[in-house]
Amino acid sequence: GAVVSQHPSRVICKSGTSVKIECRSLDFQATTMFWYRQFPKQSLMLMATSNEGSKATYEQGVEKDKFLINHASLTLSTLTVTSAHPEDSSFYICSARDFGYSGTPSYNEQFFGPGTRLTVL
Amino acid sequence: AQSVTQLGSHVSVSEGALVLLRCNYSSSVPPYLFWYVQYPNQGLQLLLKYTSAATLVKGINGFEAEFKKSETSFHLTKPSAHMSDAAEYFCAVSDLTQGGSEKLVFGKGTKLTVNP
Repeated sequence: GAVVSQHPSRVICKSGTSVKIECRSLDFQATTMFWYRQFPKQSLMLMATSNEGSKATYEQGVEKDKFLINHASLTLSTLTVTSAHPEDSSFYICSARDFGYSGTPSYNEQFFGPGTRLTVL
Repeated sequence: AQSVTQLGSHVSVSEGALVLLRCNYSSSVPPYLFWYVQYPNQGLQLLLKYTSAATLVKGINGFEAEFKKSETSFHLTKPSAHMSDAAEYFCAVSDLTQGGSEKLVFGKGTKLTVNP
């Protein structure tokens, strides 16, 4: 199956600093990437959808200036948490989708990265 | 908007026993439904998906799920639990993002514990 990696797997930073998280599709071209946030013992909440070469689409309630998303190539998307605060501490997971991958005619599978644990002190 | 309800945040079974994880969805149109598994500090792995073909869907690791439209359910089962099945399980339904593309809406998850 398709592999998605994330880097770093874990990061601890001071309040007020910015943190960049990378999401890479290793063996396929990801036309669309998704960024999720998962709080402890809770479900995944979609933050934004990014399509290669265009601006990300953010879900309602997600601050665009706080969570900067860049999808500059078909294999890389980045999420930058700007001026991080303790309430931004969470598990961030990306997923990638390739419309060319085998699947049903109407839905193309998302492949998930292993996640990044962000702790803001 | 679509939504998913997973009944039981925590399910505990004995090794070798039947596993039943419940999922109900709300959808005004035939949905695409998914079950994912998450091991600690890892991403999600697709177990199986329903995409309007056969109502009984077989997935990996011996899991299967049955789509029942009349009950708006998509419960996940496995005849005999193994210790390695201990993980968090998420049911998800497809929906549309703000921009009109497809996205997944997840349930709150069910943590499965398998006792020896």
